[in-house]
Amino acid sequence: DGGITQSPKYLFRKEGQNVTLSCEQNLNHDAMYWYRQDPGQGLRLIYYSQIVNDFQKGDIAEGYSVSREKKESFPLTVTSAQKNPTAFYLCASSILTEDQPQHFGDGTRLSIL
Amino acid sequence: GENVEQHPSTLSVQEGDSAVIKCTYSDSASNYFPWYKQELGKRPQLIIDIRSNVGEKKDQRIAVTLNKTAKHFSLHITETQPEDSAVYFCAADPPPGKLIFGQGTTLQVKP
Repeated sequence: DGGITQSPKYLFRKEGQNVTLSCEQNLNHDAMYWYRQDPGQGLRLIYYSQIVNDFQKGDIAEGYSVSREKKESFPLTVTSAQKNPTAFYLCASSILTEDQPQHFGDGTRLSIL
Repeated sequence: GENVEQHPSTLSVQEGDSAVIKCTYSDSASNYFPWYKQELGKRPQLIIDIRSNVGEKKDQRIAVTLNKTAKHFSLHITETQPEDSAVYFCAADPPPGKLIFGQGTTLQVKP
């Protein structure tokens, strides 16, 4: 979906370094989500936000942090506390009512140097 | 806890045959069940969804069935084509407003 932009497409992290993944949407969606996908695995929820200045932990929030200062933006920081960060990270957004699909960005592939 | 189980994990069919992927969910409060298709290295894309007030929905070669009593739903692809080869994910939406995804099914359609 052209309305959700993730950057960068590829990212490399050094030991002890924090890195931030960008996610921007112009769909006027209230809800935004971050997922982690490991090879051959499903999507695991890291964090989600249903309104500006509020967010909730998902199933694997440890070692990650987020902010939601603007409706359009939901950046994800992978901190040095995340010891196994190599994965494909997907951002999604949806209308904040029940029974609505999530629309995904193109993803960011993060690797350790 | 909330859980979605998806089977099989891999599925290989001949072109023109049908493919069926099945999912079960644990939270009876779930009311929305989307299916996503993900090609290698790309974003998941919604292909069909069903809400709890209907038992079946069709869109050309794709159909989804839902049995709320048994808490399972299935994706049916008829007349499969090589371009149907991808990973397929089911999901359910237990409150409060998030999706729980199955582990995915890798579908291979052999020409």
